[in-house]
Amino acid sequence: DIVMTQTPLSLSVIPGQPASISCKSSQSLLHTDGKTYLYWYLQKPGQSPQLLIYEVSSRFSGVPDRFSGSGSGTDFTLKISRVEAEDAGVYYCMEGTHLPWTFGQGTKVEIK
Amino acid sequence: EVQLVESGGGLVQPGGSLRLSCAVSGFTFSSYWMSWVRQAPGKGLEWVANIKEDGSEKYYVDSVEGRFTTSRDNAKNSLYLQMNSLRAEDTAMYYCARGNSLFSYWGQGTLVTVSS
Repeated sequence: DIVMTQTPLSLSVIPGQPASISCKSSQSLLHTDGKTYLYWYLQKPGQSPQLLIYEVSSRFSGVPDRFSGSGSGTDFTLKISRVEAEDAGVYYCMEGTHLPWTFGQGTKVEIK
Repeated sequence: EVQLVESGGGLVQPGGSLRLSCAVSGFTFSSYWMSWVRQAPGKGLEWVANIKEDGSEKYYVDSVEGRFTTSRDNAKNSLYLQMNSLRAEDTAMYYCARGNSLFSYWGQGTLVTVSS
């Protein structure tokens, strides 16, 4: 199984400041179809997870453009350009290239 | 409006069975893969299973293979997860989600507790 490793595991950010989360996979996530199935999900406190980013860098419908994803192969990054209070929660990366799909451990983002 | 509503969770003894349901509305159910994702209390997310649009393909995480079976009824816009031989480590919130790996919509979850 692919191991997804996120760093850091927790982050405390001042509103308006940037934030960055790293996600590394134990194998390349480049699929034979040429796409890279790396996702970012956010689980806000008391809520179900929600999709932020798909295929490394595409923002899901309604996701603010302060969220951006980048990377390739085994190294990926989620960036928030200017953190807002509503961005608090646990962020998970997930790979969808090699079954079984696996999630990272999660990064808890706290807003100061 | 897209809605996914899980039901069927509860308290069950080790070795017991439960059947979870996920009723969907607001989209053409038969056009999408569907998935189950679980979250143990205070822990992270774990993909459990998925099923193709017509039910012809199903995949499971190793830890539930042979014990859990996912199915769907496209006429009833419903997804199911039959869970047998339940173990304490299966205790979790179970979410249904639309998609194969791109989980665009999630239900609110149903809690399964396996305990004697």
